[in-house]
Amino acid sequence: KNQVEQSPQSLIILEGKNCTLQCNYTVSPFSNLRWYKQDTGRGPVSLTIMTFSENTKSNGRYTATLDADTKQSSLHITASQLSDSASYICVVSAKTGANNLFFGTGTRLTVIP
Amino acid sequence: NAGVTQTPKFQVLKTGQSMTLQCAQDMNHNSMYWYRQDPGMGLRLIYYSASEGTTDKGEVPNGYNVSRLNKREFSLRLESAAPSQTSVYFCASSDLPGDTEAFFGQGTRLTVV
Repeated sequence: KNQVEQSPQSLIILEGKNCTLQCNYTVSPFSNLRWYKQDTGRGPVSLTIMTFSENTKSNGRYTATLDADTKQSSLHITASQLSDSASYICVVSAKTGANNLFFGTGTRLTVIP
Repeated sequence: NAGVTQTPKFQVLKTGQSMTLQCAQDMNHNSMYWYRQDPGMGLRLIYYSASEGTTDKGEVPNGYNVSRLNKREFSLRLESAAPSQTSVYFCASSDLPGDTEAFFGQGTRLTVV
């Protein structure tokens, strides 16, 4: 069964600290994995995409990793800011079918001063 | 560039009432989607339209109907609202079917009493 699981469900960190969010998936055949950021009351916005051949990709203070062998991805946030408070959603795409997106339930990150 | 626009942003319905959620995108995308988001369950696909003139059921289609009016517009109709349909609804679009880079609207918070 194609599934995407994220951990932790929620996380509270102090401003300036780093954190890592996890995404494990069983989606097959794998196409790509994308991390979204969803601010409260808004729709999700794409942060980064990881394809099969990519291990690490950075977007400013966000660094995503992918281990296609273990089917795990992580999103590392460096020097967190209050504006990083949001839900982070992992979405995995399978190679076949139009209805082929599998969503994680997200990690709710709260950054406190 | 407005992206994906949803209306209304908030709505309260009585059980049994009907309503239509409107969605329009200005990115000339082929595919459009309707999701619902409930606490702890992540985004679940209701219906999608891979291209103009086609619609297909997603994971949770019961109680909903859709219309792909043209390439820009994709509406979601609740014929007889039920309390179980209380949720936040998101419309999204993507260039290609199954593309993980979906662009989301700001959401419609629907409460059925």
